[in-house]
Amino acid sequence: QKEVEQNSGPLSVPEGAIASLNCTYSDRGSQSFFWYRQYSGKSPELIMFIYSNGDKEDGRFTAQLNKASQYVSLLIRDSQPSDSATYLCAVNIGKLIFGQGTELSVKP
Amino acid sequence: DADVTQTPRNRITKTGKRIMLECSQTKGHDRMYWYRQDPGLGLRLIYYSFDVKDINKGEISDGYSVSRQAQAKFSLSLESAIPNQTALYFCATSDWDNSYEQYFGPGTRLTVT
Repeated sequence: QKEVEQNSGPLSVPEGAIASLNCTYSDRGSQSFFWYRQYSGKSPELIMFIYSNGDKEDGRFTAQLNKASQYVSLLIRDSQPSDSATYLCAVNIGKLIFGQGTELSVKP
Repeated sequence: DADVTQTPRNRITKTGKRIMLECSQTKGHDRMYWYRQDPGLGLRLIYYSFDVKDINKGEISDGYSVSRQAQAKFSLSLESAIPNQTALYFCATSDWDNSYEQYFGPGTRLTVT
């Protein structure tokens, strides 16, 4: 089992819809969790981090963490074509371990 | 100017050649990292360094070596390149007190023929 797993997609949603991106991890000792966005041909950039169980909101983005289920998700409300990118989940186990990324496509 | 720079940006080399990828940063961060990215595999950590005298192996260090010449410079070497080292390589930096917010360079696309 990979330490951090994501559905590779592609995930396609219509403009204005909610995009839901999911990530599971295997190390119960993980303390912090990160979502990076990577546009095609570009480098990853941090968009959200979460440390505590529950939800964390930042604009149109909401990160959700459930440590008991070892599950972290990213919701993007009112999705825009400019949100089309690959989203990488990363987990801190003393160093960052990344999932394989989920490609999101938002159709106008 | 970019905070994290990588040279070269693209490189094609032959099997068996030695190649060095260089990373420089002006963010003043202590911690630097080298990753490779392959389609469908995400980012995998090759080596990382928490300061000039500290070098650590990551998930996939075999076939690679690194040098931390200064706080601002971290180089990755492939001593004898092989085709399965064809990938996109990223350097990243982070500050000591916010280690997991990492700032990435633009990447080096390496092709080994």
